[in-house]
Amino acid sequence: GAGVSQSPRYKVAKRGQDVALRCDPISGHVSLFWYQQALGQGPEFLTYFQNEAQLDKSGLPSDRFFAERPEGSVSTLKIQRTQQEDSAVYLCASGKLAGGYRGNEQFFGPGTRLTVL
Amino acid sequence: GENVEQHPSTLSVQEGDSAVIKCTYSDSASNYFPWYKQELGKRPQLIIDIRSNVGEKKDQRIAVTLNKTAKHFSLHITETQPEDSAVYFCAANPITGNQFYFGTGTSLTVIP
Repeated sequence: GAGVSQSPRYKVAKRGQDVALRCDPISGHVSLFWYQQALGQGPEFLTYFQNEAQLDKSGLPSDRFFAERPEGSVSTLKIQRTQQEDSAVYLCASGKLAGGYRGNEQFFGPGTRLTVL
Repeated sequence: GENVEQHPSTLSVQEGDSAVIKCTYSDSASNYFPWYKQELGKRPQLIIDIRSNVGEKKDQRIAVTLNKTAKHFSLHITETQPEDSAVYFCAANPITGNQFYFGTGTSLTVIP
């Protein structure tokens, strides 16, 4: 079946622009995660949704970052007034079960590479 | 929160040799430990995982061991092949949390 998809795959923004990154999780998956992966680093947690509820946003680096999943399927990560330090790959992952459950495998999308000039 | 450390950061082996990557974690509540393989420009893909109620798991040329007392786990790849070349990430998932905490990655190069 179809895996997790993300769009766009690449995004170049001028400093100060707003961007919106889209994630299409695997159909029926309850959990959805956003991670930020800097060059040469492991993914770092940003936020977590269980269906449409955003249960954990402790990893969002500033109030310029906002995520939503209004119908419990597609999610959008929005970054306002982008800064150069926002340049990274943004990964989305979905899981069949609710988060916090032991061994809830996360399936990753291909990521969106954001470059802020 | 959880802190995962991963070593080495880079590893080169001759084709056919074994490769070992080690991770430590800090939160004793972590009980699920996946390993992901990420090829350049591609998504992380799960290659093997282990839960805290077992000490070892094997899948063909790949094995993972877990020492809960010492809070460390390791990935073992035997009979390495050039297609094993990639970045490998370990991760820990506390039962009390939602997220995975990832290590910083190991870039494995298998030399033909």
